[in-house]
Amino acid sequence: DAGVIQSPRHEVTEMGQEVTLRCKPISGHDYLFWYRQTMMRGLELLIYFNNNVPIDDSGMPEDRFSAKMPNASFSTLKIQPSEPRDSAVYFCASSQSRQLDNSPLHFGNGTRLTVT
Amino acid sequence: KQEVTQIPAALSVPEGENLVLNCSFTDSAIYNLQWFRQDPGKGLTSLLLIQSSQREQTSGRLNASLDKSSGRSTLYIAASQPGDSATYLCAARRRNDYKLSFGAGTTVTVRA
Repeated sequence: DAGVIQSPRHEVTEMGQEVTLRCKPISGHDYLFWYRQTMMRGLELLIYFNNNVPIDDSGMPEDRFSAKMPNASFSTLKIQPSEPRDSAVYFCASSQSRQLDNSPLHFGNGTRLTVT
Repeated sequence: KQEVTQIPAALSVPEGENLVLNCSFTDSAIYNLQWFRQDPGKGLTSLLLIQSSQREQTSGRLNASLDKSSGRSTLYIAASQPGDSATYLCAARRRNDYKLSFGAGTTVTVRA
C-alpha cells in the first residue's frame, strides 16, 4: 500500500494568496482527518470526514479555511486568503472504522506551508 | 476537554539504556490510547494502540501500559538504539467519536 499521499510537500506563498493542499487516503479507509502542527500549539485537529461527509469542523480556525472530500480517494484543504500565521505543517491522516477496536491512524508526510 | 501531557519534553540516553516515556491525560473516559513516532520532516507512524479494556500492548522492544484510573500511559523501549532517536507522541481517543488529543511529544536522542 502506498500509504497516505499528500501534495505538495512544501508550499511557499505570499500573504493573501489562495493555498490548496491535497490528500489521497489509503484505499478502503473511510475516515479522513486534517491536522495542523506548529511548535507553539502541537498537533491540532482541523476537521474530519466519514464516508466523504464532514463530521466535525470545530477545529477549523476561521472561515478562511475550508475542506472538501468529493470522493473516497481525494480531499482538499483550502486557505483563502492565506496569512503568515497559517505557516505550519499540515497533515492528512486516514483510518478504517471496520477495525474499530484496533484502528490506528495512518499519517501522510505532511505539507510544510510557509506564508510570507 | 481532554488534556494530554508528556514529560519530559526531551530525553538523551546512551545506547543500550532502557527508555521510559510518560503520558498523562485528564479525562479517563477514553476509547483507546495510541503511541506514535515522528521522525524529522516526516509524518507520524503508529507504534502501539491500547484499547481502554487493556492494560498493556507489546511489539518487539516496545511495551506500552495504560492505567485509566490514574490517567497515565507509559511507553518502554528496551535496549535503546541510535535508530530509536525520534519524537514520540501519545494520543487519547474519546469515546463516541474519532477525535484524538495529542501530547506535545518527547524528543529522544540515543547516543552511540
